[in-house]
Amino acid sequence: GENVEQHPSTLSVQEGDSAVIKCTYSDSASNYFPWYKQELGKRPQLIIDIRSNVGEKKDQRIAVTLNKTAKHFSLHITETQPEDSAVYFCAASKELGAGANSKLTFGKGITLSVRP
Amino acid sequence: NAGVMQNPRHLVRRRGQEARLRCSPMKGHSHVYWYRQLPEEGLKFMVYLQKENIIDESGMPKERFSAEFPKEGPSILRIQQVVRGDSAAYFCASSPFADGYTEAFFGQGTRLTVV
Repeated sequence: GENVEQHPSTLSVQEGDSAVIKCTYSDSASNYFPWYKQELGKRPQLIIDIRSNVGEKKDQRIAVTLNKTAKHFSLHITETQPEDSAVYFCAASKELGAGANSKLTFGKGITLSVRP
Repeated sequence: NAGVMQNPRHLVRRRGQEARLRCSPMKGHSHVYWYRQLPEEGLKFMVYLQKENIIDESGMPKERFSAEFPKEGPSILRIQQVVRGDSAAYFCASSPFADGYTEAFFGQGTRLTVV
């Protein structure tokens, strides 16, 4: 089955700096790669996702890049703010949405701390 | 649309008791996934259900755990004879259809504590 690994496990940055979180996956059949933000005691919230037919996607201060050959994808947050502090999870699945191929395999998460 | 509703939000059970976790998907959603999150870990897939059918239970422990999604009412994750290791946050996610374009939405989770 799929195995998703996330590095590093903690990351601390100064407000205004950029943060990069990297994930690797093992199953070449995976085609959908979402990133979730989870604040303490709350649900995981989808912040950005990318499909295997796209190499990069951007949404304001957040971007995700995908390298299918190397089986890794990264989350980039620019101009970080204290409210970006949370746990971030990467995940992978074969398909988006519903269906047996849409179950997500998550990384262990990284705690991002943005120092004011 | 109230979103995916899970209850209770917090549940405390003594070892050996039963825990019942409920998930009401978003209106019009007929696909439900259950995930378990152990402390300081990522979410792990447990089971995928459609109305009245278990499609994929490859992540469910073989004993004590069961899930259902009846024609009417919420999806239920049932844990019998709970042990301390069952303490975790249990999240469900729902999706409307397998169109390859629509994400699944997560509920707020049920935090189970076994004492």
